[in-house]
Amino acid sequence: NAGVTQTPKFQVLKTGQSMTLQCAQDMNHEYMSWYRQDPGMGLRLIHYSVGAGITDQGEVPNGYNVSRSTTEDFPLRLLSAAPSQTSVYFCASSQPSTGRGTDTQYFGPGTRLTVL
Amino acid sequence: AQSVTQPDIHITVSEGASLELRCNYSYGATPYLFWYVQSPGQGLQLLLKYFSGDTLVQGIKGFEAEFKRSQSSFNLRKPSVHWSDAAEYFCAVGAYGGATNKLIFGTGTLLAVQP
Repeated sequence: NAGVTQTPKFQVLKTGQSMTLQCAQDMNHEYMSWYRQDPGMGLRLIHYSVGAGITDQGEVPNGYNVSRSTTEDFPLRLLSAAPSQTSVYFCASSQPSTGRGTDTQYFGPGTRLTVL
Repeated sequence: AQSVTQPDIHITVSEGASLELRCNYSYGATPYLFWYVQSPGQGLQLLLKYFSGDTLVQGIKGFEAEFKRSQSSFNLRKPSVHWSDAAEYFCAVGAYGGATNKLIFGTGTLLAVQP
């Protein structure tokens, strides 16, 4: 299994450009999440999904869109990039037991995004 | 509000010395607790987790953590640190029960290991 994969590894954008960060997992996990990591702030949840067709906002959703058409893929879209979105982005997946709540999340290697 | 506090931003220990990284949480229900480690330029890897039962949890790489409900703490320990343990460590809390996968992370503790 490849686990959680993310592309690209690095990206530089200009303000106002759009792009999509790709995330895929081959573990058949129902749950997937996007986080951003900024120095001194830990990881903050952007959006998450509890299954195909179901998404919800996390702590810092503004400026980002997501959709989940398949179990495997969970792309994150930046519609109009801003310098404040310069960050490292991590995708994660998990498969909790029924009613058990949060379970172990498996993280991808990250995408380092710079917005000029 | 739910939160996780890691009071030590940066810690330096000598190789072979013991280590304790602190984590305090604020959560309105029974928490699930996790410690993750991040090596430079890498994603996060799970070290250990606590769901229920024995409050002393063993993890990978010789790490352990103890859940103390009365102190709202989940401190990470290792009896003898190796140079390869230099990394950033994150404590996280998750919801107990229900259909959720939300994790709240602390701000991390950066560990440096002196030879």
